[in-house]
Amino acid sequence: DAGITQSPRYKITETGRQVTLMCHQTWSHSYMFWYRQDLGHGLRLIYYSAAADITDKGEVPDGYVVSRSKTENFPLTLESATRSQTSVYFCASRERSFAGETQYFGPGTRLLVL
Amino acid sequence: DQQVKQNSPSLSVQEGRISILNCDYTNSMFDYFLWYKKYPAEGPTFLISISSIKDKNEDGRFTVFLNKSAKHLSLHIVPSQPGDSAVYFCAAGDSGTYKYIFGTGTRLKVLA
Repeated sequence: DAGITQSPRYKITETGRQVTLMCHQTWSHSYMFWYRQDLGHGLRLIYYSAAADITDKGEVPDGYVVSRSKTENFPLTLESATRSQTSVYFCASRERSFAGETQYFGPGTRLLVL
Repeated sequence: DQQVKQNSPSLSVQEGRISILNCDYTNSMFDYFLWYKKYPAEGPTFLISISSIKDKNEDGRFTVFLNKSAKHLSLHIVPSQPGDSAVYFCAAGDSGTYKYIFGTGTRLKVLA
């Protein structure tokens, strides 16, 4: 299926465990992003990537690690999960055309840290 | 300090009438603005965008207006339909950095 997919869709983990959220896009967009959505905060940028092997921090990067060895994949790892990382996580990729630009979002991963 | 604000958490409108959603920003460096719609349990979906070189952009029932001097943008939906009921996010940023700041969202309910 063309588009952007995330897995798992739901995850329950415990404090201190490592968790990896997967993101895959089929368009070969150069730019990819990770956001978290929390009540009262909207969507906040965690990390983004301009291309394979190029990543940079967003607004709220602490406690997260990303990698991008292939253009189509952009996994997000919580090295030692904390309760404050309970959130809905969205991956996105960016398309730019003569008409402008937009970001296409995946369906989200709902993460609960106990 | 929120750089992008949507001060109305919710809005109810009758079907067929106009819906107006507002967004304010504080950073004068922002030059690109986007609106997204989000249904429950789904990712945000792009609606419409506007560059700072314009003050209006239309796409079907959706029109975005930008007032740079007031640092304010609005999304007009005419006519509103029940399927438009969703949470709407505005996003603003510097197109050179590709990083956008999102507002907290406005929940629109269109009443049949």
